[in-house]
Amino acid sequence: NAGVMQNPRHLVRRRGQEARLRCSPMKGHSHVYWYRQLPEEGLKFMVYLQKENIIDESGMPKERFSAEFPKEGPSILRIQQVVRGDSAAYFCASSPGTGGIYEQYFGPGTRLTVT
Amino acid sequence: GNSVTQMEGPVTLSEEAFLTINCTYTATGYPSLFWYVQYPGEGLQLLLKATKADDKGSNKGFEATYRKETTSFHLEKGSVQVSDSAVYFCALRDTNAGKSTFGDGTTLTVKP
Repeated sequence: NAGVMQNPRHLVRRRGQEARLRCSPMKGHSHVYWYRQLPEEGLKFMVYLQKENIIDESGMPKERFSAEFPKEGPSILRIQQVVRGDSAAYFCASSPGTGGIYEQYFGPGTRLTVT
Repeated sequence: GNSVTQMEGPVTLSEEAFLTINCTYTATGYPSLFWYVQYPGEGLQLLLKATKADDKGSNKGFEATYRKETTSFHLEKGSVQVSDSAVYFCALRDTNAGKSTFGDGTTLTVKP
């Protein structure tokens, strides 16, 4: 069973460009979570999605950031008009259900650098 | 809201030394507690977990006990190895919640 897959692993964007990050959950997992890790910091929750639904977006910046998890295909985290402060590692996790009894499996992350 | 406070690092130990990394939490409900490990350039791997008070999670020689009375989940290992060098994160998740709340991480370096 393949793990959580993220691509690209590294992404360089110039200020003002768009960044598109992809996450394919583990087989059988319908719950996807996105986290951001700034340098020397812990992971901060951004958004929680199930297929075709955003369940909790309380950690998403109000502007420029959006996420989707379509019926078919990977989950996408989109950052429009990137700024230097968006440089971070973005991790996706998936689980088969919600709540503390279900383990979240993490992908290897996408490291975004904004120049 | 929920929060996790971890012992500040970095922590440097000699091989075979005893390790303790403190973790305390604040939560409104009855969360599950987790320790994750992150090696350089990689994602997080679950190290151990505990889902209710007095549970002890253990894996690869690491242990942590869910202490509700002190709201703590300290990570311990009796004899560390060089290969244990990594960043360790304490985290919690509410029973019915999706998102996890993480501490800021503690960097452990083990010297031969």
